[in-house]
Amino acid sequence: AQSVAQPEDQVNVAEGNPLTVKCTYSVSGNPYLFWYVQYPNRGLQFLLKYITGDNLVKGSYGFEAEFNKSQTSFHLKKPSALVSDSALYFCAVRDIGNTDKLIFGTGTRLQVFP
Amino acid sequence: DSGVTQTPKHLITATGQRVTLRCSPRSGDLSVYWYQQSLDQGLQFLIHYYNGEERAKGNILERFSAQQFPDLHSELNLSSLELGDSALYFCASSGTRVGTGELFFGEGSRLTVL
Repeated sequence: AQSVAQPEDQVNVAEGNPLTVKCTYSVSGNPYLFWYVQYPNRGLQFLLKYITGDNLVKGSYGFEAEFNKSQTSFHLKKPSALVSDSALYFCAVRDIGNTDKLIFGTGTRLQVFP
Repeated sequence: DSGVTQTPKHLITATGQRVTLRCSPRSGDLSVYWYQQSLDQGLQFLIHYYNGEERAKGNILERFSAQQFPDLHSELNLSSLELGDSALYFCASSGTRVGTGELFFGEGSRLTVL
């Protein structure tokens, strides 16, 4: 079965510092991976996705993610964090060929301190 | 704005009651997914409809049902409500049946069962 894991419940980083939010995956076949962000009392907003091609994927709001097949990881990164990046981040994998639903990780709360 | 509209945004009701949550997908999107987000369960897939037909069921209780109408809007019906049904219910839509595309989420309907 397809799954993703987010090993950190919370990540704290100072504004201006680089940030990384970790995600590992377990899939059969090619992984279709996604990152979403959720601000308080809001829906999930799509950040970026990896389908195929370059291992470094660029997305919205300056975020990028690195796909690493050997480590089965898809970590979200940003070179310089902003206080406004503070939110809940979800990694997800598309359950291709079965239901096509997204299977989400448990989420990582990112807190950026001024 | 994702283009997915959910109503109502907030709903407070009593145990044993029945409620209906409504979702209008993005224009042209044929797939509608329902998710439940609770503090202890994270984001759980409930059900997927494609062009009016049920495609897959996830962790959806028998007290819950859904349908997608010819105009592609969808409704999620929750009956015999229990305290544990209090959660944020999200609808998402997708334009592609093959799963390389992202899902676009509405702002959610927050259900409180007292």
